[in-house]
Amino acid sequence: AQSVTQPDIHITVSEGASLELRCNYSYGATPYLFWYVQSPGQGLQLLLKYFSGDTLVQGIKGFEAEFKRSQSSFNLRKPSVHWSDAAEYFCAVGAPGSARQLTFGSGTQLTVLP
Amino acid sequence: DAGVIQSPRHEVTEMGQEVTLRCKPISGHNSLFWYRQTMMRGLELLIYFNNNVPIDDSGMPEDRFSAKMPNASFSTLKIQPSEPRDSAVYFCASSFPAGASYEQYFGPGTRLTVT
Repeated sequence: AQSVTQPDIHITVSEGASLELRCNYSYGATPYLFWYVQSPGQGLQLLLKYFSGDTLVQGIKGFEAEFKRSQSSFNLRKPSVHWSDAAEYFCAVGAPGSARQLTFGSGTQLTVLP
Repeated sequence: DAGVIQSPRHEVTEMGQEVTLRCKPISGHNSLFWYRQTMMRGLELLIYFNNNVPIDDSGMPEDRFSAKMPNASFSTLKIQPSEPRDSAVYFCASSFPAGASYEQYFGPGTRLTVT
């Protein structure tokens, strides 16, 4: 079974600073990987996804993530954070095959300082 | 297109009462997922359906919880009787049929408070 670890529970950055949120997965082959964002009182919104091909994927709102097979990681990055990026971010992994469920990490809460 | 629709958005009920949460998936999606989110346990998958058939209900906490999907456009999650520890935000999500597209589209959630 696959698993996901987000080692940072809470991260604080200043507006305009760069951001990197960590995600490590455990799976025997190349999984499907996702980043979701949840604003307060809202559902989860898909930021980006990786299935195959180019290991650097671009998403919405200026986010990108890089799949590194050797490190079993799929870290989320943004070069310049905006105050509106304050939210909780979830990494998720799906196992290619018949099962369609995703396994979510515990989330990283992002605070943006003015 | 409308996204996933959940109702009610907020529900406050007393312990012992029956609670029914409703979900309308995105039209054309054939997989539907029910999640529960709490501070203590994070986001937990309760059950998921494929083509209206329950595929995996191993996440359903106990017999007080039941879920149905009578047709492709409607699902319910029922708790009977409800307990204070059921207080959480319940999300419904739906997904495309077939292909490599596993991304799930989430509804806004139902915040349940059991007193």
